[in-house]
Amino acid sequence: AQSVTQLGSHVSVSEGALVLLRCNYSSSVPPYLFWYVQYPNQGLQLLLKYTSAATLVKGINGFEAEFKKSETSFHLTKPSAHMSDAAEYFCAVRDSGAGSYQLTFGKGTKLSVIP
Amino acid sequence: DTGVSQNPRHKITKRGQNVTFRCDPISEHNRLYWYRQTLGQGPEFLTYFQNEAQLEKSRLLSDRFSAERPKGSFSTLEIQRTEQGDSAMYLCASSAPGSGNTIYFGEGSWLTVV
Repeated sequence: AQSVTQLGSHVSVSEGALVLLRCNYSSSVPPYLFWYVQYPNQGLQLLLKYTSAATLVKGINGFEAEFKKSETSFHLTKPSAHMSDAAEYFCAVRDSGAGSYQLTFGKGTKLSVIP
Repeated sequence: DTGVSQNPRHKITKRGQNVTFRCDPISEHNRLYWYRQTLGQGPEFLTYFQNEAQLEKSRLLSDRFSAERPKGSFSTLEIQRTEQGDSAMYLCASSAPGSGNTIYFGEGSWLTVV
């Protein structure tokens, strides 16, 4: 069974500081990994995804994430936080096996950006 | 590309009433998913369609829940005899073969059972 653990339900950073949101996964087969962002009262927007190509993945809005198989991690980073980055971020995993399309999400990390 | 469309966006209903949500996926997307999200939690998978066939159902989908996608285009999610525990946001998503396994989500439909 798949699972996703996001360390820290709430992270606060100063504007301009590094953003680091942590995600660890467990999966019995090679996974596909995703980061989504959710603004208040809205649906989820895809930030980036890892699907067994390059381990360093670049996404929208200056975010990137690195797949580390040895650490079973897929942490999300951004060099310099902007006020507009304040939102909730969800890490998700999906088995790469054929016929499996279900995403398993972590509980989310709420990012606050302090001016 | 108008995105995944869901309606109604908000629904308040009395306990015991039936409610139905509609989802229109992105055009040409043959896969459609329903998820449920409660406050402070990540989305939880409910069910998945490929064209009109319902291929996966979560244990979360009790007998009071039914989803359909009759013509392989839009989908409905009906909740019968609603309970307060059904209060949540119901998210629809869609994807297409060859889209790099990307699942696109709609804005969600909020349900409040009073």
